[in-house]
Amino acid sequence: AQSVAQPEDQVNVAEGNPLTVKCTYSVSGNPYLFWYVQYPNRGLQFLLKYITGDNLVKGSYGFEAEFNKSQTSFHLKKPSALVSDSALYFCAVRDSEDYKLSFGAGTTVTVRA
Amino acid sequence: NAGVTQTPKFRVLKTGQSMTLLCAQDMNHEYMYWYRQDPGMGLRLIHYSVGEGTTAKGEVPDGYNVSRLKKQNFLLGLESAAPSQTSVYFCASSYLAGGTDTQYFGPGTRLTVL
Repeated sequence: AQSVAQPEDQVNVAEGNPLTVKCTYSVSGNPYLFWYVQYPNRGLQFLLKYITGDNLVKGSYGFEAEFNKSQTSFHLKKPSALVSDSALYFCAVRDSEDYKLSFGAGTTVTVRA
Repeated sequence: NAGVTQTPKFRVLKTGQSMTLLCAQDMNHEYMYWYRQDPGMGLRLIHYSVGEGTTAKGEVPDGYNVSRLKKQNFLLGLESAAPSQTSVYFCASSYLAGGTDTQYFGPGTRLTVL
């Protein structure tokens, strides 16, 4: 079985400050981890993924995520948040032995000017 | 390329009515998926298809049926709509079924069942 937890329903930051969105996961095999972003009334857009290799993954729009195997975490980060980063963020995991993608409940990010 | 498109964008049904949601992709992807999104629950997989002519149940399949007669299209049907099926429905597609592949999503269909 595989699962994802996003412990924060909401994250509020000021523009220019660092942004972190937390994600922890549980899988039986090796994890493949994904971050998606959803803007209001839009579909999900792919941000980045971790498959193997370097634990720090860089993605679209200046986002990056760090894979931590010992803590089973894959937190999304951005050094300097923009108002336009305000959206709903989803973490997802797939077990290397499965094809199904499991999503977290989502974290709403609000960046205030 | 249009990517993944969904029809319609919005729909209101009365309890017991039926409808079909259409998903189309122009990326020649083999795999297609239907999800529903409910507040605080993330996305849950309803049905999926690993190729033309094949379908399989996901996490929450009850009350839904699907068909994949053409590779580029994946239809989701509600035979007798219930208020519990009020949700936002997303279609996705991917080139591979698992592993490292990325799923690409459509814009969604907002369905309300009265």
